[in-house]
Amino acid sequence: NAGVTQTPKFQVLKTGQSMTLQCAQDMNHEYMSWYRQDPGMGLRLIHYSVGAGITDQGEVPNGYNVSRSTTEDFPLRLLSAAPSQTSVYFCASSQPRDSDTQYFGPGTRLTVL
Amino acid sequence: GDSVTQMEGPVTLSEEAFLTINCTYTATGYPSLFWYVQYPGEGLQLLLKATKADDKGSNKGFEATYRKETTSFHLEKGSVQVSDSAVYFCALNTGGFKTIFGAGTRLFVKA
Repeated sequence: NAGVTQTPKFQVLKTGQSMTLQCAQDMNHEYMSWYRQDPGMGLRLIHYSVGAGITDQGEVPNGYNVSRSTTEDFPLRLLSAAPSQTSVYFCASSQPRDSDTQYFGPGTRLTVL
Repeated sequence: GDSVTQMEGPVTLSEEAFLTINCTYTATGYPSLFWYVQYPGEGLQLLLKATKADDKGSNKGFEATYRKETTSFHLEKGSVQVSDSAVYFCALNTGGFKTIFGAGTRLFVKA
């Protein structure tokens, strides 16, 4: 049972490039979400999903897209990277019956030059 | 809107010292309250939680009591170890799975 996995661990992009951050969970959790972590700001919710085929925006969705074609996977796409998207990105999952307790992946550190 | 405020860090302590990290919250309704811990290079892990007023969450020697009258959920540990060095996040959830996190408090414990 690997829990929540994220790839890559580190990534450097140039402004305007696009990329996809991968997230997968093997706990059969229905709920998944993406957060970004910035110094002094805690974690902020980007997008979330309550099940396959269902996604919604969080607090800071601009510049990011998500899709949820399977229960296991929840990729985050940066359409045209900007320096303001330099951050650490965390994926998390949870179950509806215990939805307030989330399980986090190890994170992806992204730098946009 | 809902929010969480926790003490700024870093907090530096010697091994076996007493730890308190303050956390206060603002929320409509009756939130569940959490402490998450993030060790270097890792994601967040749930440390403890409390779901209603006067509940005490505890784990690994850490404790926090849900105080509705003071809207607080302070984290305490009687004797810290070097291995407790990490960033600690206070958080709340008022339903569903959208959790509001505090800014985090970094703890350094010296041997």
